Amino acid sequence: AQSVTQLDSQVPVFEEAPVELRCNYSSSVSVYLFWYVQYPNQGLQLLLKYLSGSTLVKGINGFEAEFNKSQTSFHLRKPSVHISDTAEYFCAVSDPGTGGGNKLTFGTGTQLKVEL
Amino acid sequence: DGGITQSPKYLFRKEGQNVTLSCEQNLNHDAMYWYRQDPGQGLRLIYYSQIVNDFQKGDIAEGYSVSREKKESFPLTVTSAQKNPTAFYLCASRRQGATDTQYFGPGTRLTVL
Repeated sequence: AQSVTQLDSQVPVFEEAPVELRCNYSSSVSVYLFWYVQYPNQGLQLLLKYLSGSTLVKGINGFEAEFNKSQTSFHLRKPSVHISDTAEYFCAVSDPGTGGGNKLTFGTGTQLKVEL
Repeated sequence: DGGITQSPKYLFRKEGQNVTLSCEQNLNHDAMYWYRQDPGQGLRLIYYSQIVNDFQKGDIAEGYSVSREKKESFPLTVTSAQKNPTAFYLCASRRQGATDTQYFGPGTRLTVL
């Protein structure tokens, strides 16, 4: 079974500073990778996804992520954060080869807190 | 506007009562999913359905039931057998292509008193 590890449960950062949220996954086979953002008491919104091709993926709100197959990682980065980026961020993986409804396996989330 | 709606936003029930959470989508998506979210545990899959009149158990299906009588609707019933039902419940849907993304509804927060 797939597993996703987000080692940092909370990341505090000052506004306009860069940030990296870490994500590692367990599978060595081909996978699809996703980052979602969740604002308080809301659903999840897709930030970006990696399906194939270029390992650097750009998403919404200035976020980007880099797929590293050898390290089974998909870290999320933003060069300069804004107070409005304060939210919880979830990394997720889908194994397209399972045929099981393209289920997503989620990490436990990283709470990003941007401070003035 | 196309999207996924979940109602109600907040739901309170007494212990021992069954409760049904609504999920409706007008995106013409084939697959629908129910997740449970608890603090510090991420999202865990309860049930999913890839086609009308068919559904499969996810990782934590015990104490829950679903139906899929219409393409646009996938209600979740939290039964009295669910030992710890207080949580935030999220519904999602996607088209059936292998690369298609899951889109999420706004969620229902269930509190069992």
